[in-house]
Amino acid sequence: EDQVTQSPEALRLQEGESSSLNCSYTVSGLRGLFWYRQDPGKGPEFLFTLYSAGEEKEKERLKATLTKKESFLHITAPKPEDSATYLCAVLLNSGGYQKVTFGTGTKLQVIP
Amino acid sequence: NAGVTQTPKFQVLKTGQSMTLQCAQDMNHNSMYWYRQDPGMGLRLIYYSASEGTTDKGEVPNGYNVSRLNKREFSLRLESAAPSQTSVYFCASGTGFEQYFGPGTRLTVT
Repeated sequence: EDQVTQSPEALRLQEGESSSLNCSYTVSGLRGLFWYRQDPGKGPEFLFTLYSAGEEKEKERLKATLTKKESFLHITAPKPEDSATYLCAVLLNSGGYQKVTFGTGTKLQVIP
Repeated sequence: NAGVTQTPKFQVLKTGQSMTLQCAQDMNHNSMYWYRQDPGMGLRLIYYSASEGTTDKGEVPNGYNVSRLNKREFSLRLESAAPSQTSVYFCASGTGFEQYFGPGTRLTVT
């Protein structure tokens, strides 16, 4: 069964304290891995797509990396405005159609 | 450029009532999606439409129907609402590799 697991479930950081969020997956036919940010009461906001192991992408204080079994979202010197829930998702080929499976997210709180 | 819009934002239904959730996008995307989000479950795909005129079931299609009215609009219908359908519903559009979400509809079925 295709599975996407995010850890930790919640993370509390001091402003400026760098850390990483993990997304591990056990799937077959991976076509891509996505990271989204979701603020309370809003829809997810697209951040990155990673296609193959070894790929990295950066946006401001965020850097996403991908291996064959997991992805990391590194947050460098976070600010309070980075507080949100971060979701990862995988895009698979499944039975002839594209299947997207989301993890349950990591809720990040950055304290001033 | 509004992106993805959804109506209504909030809705309360009684068991057995029906309703349609509306979604529209102005980004000229071929693909559109309906998800539900429940605490501890993550986003789950209900139905998707890879192009105008086509629709396919996702992970949790039971109790729902969809219509891809044109390239811009994709609606989700609950024919006979059940308490298990209490959730937040998100519409998205995109290329498959990138999806852009609407603000969501918070639905409560009593």
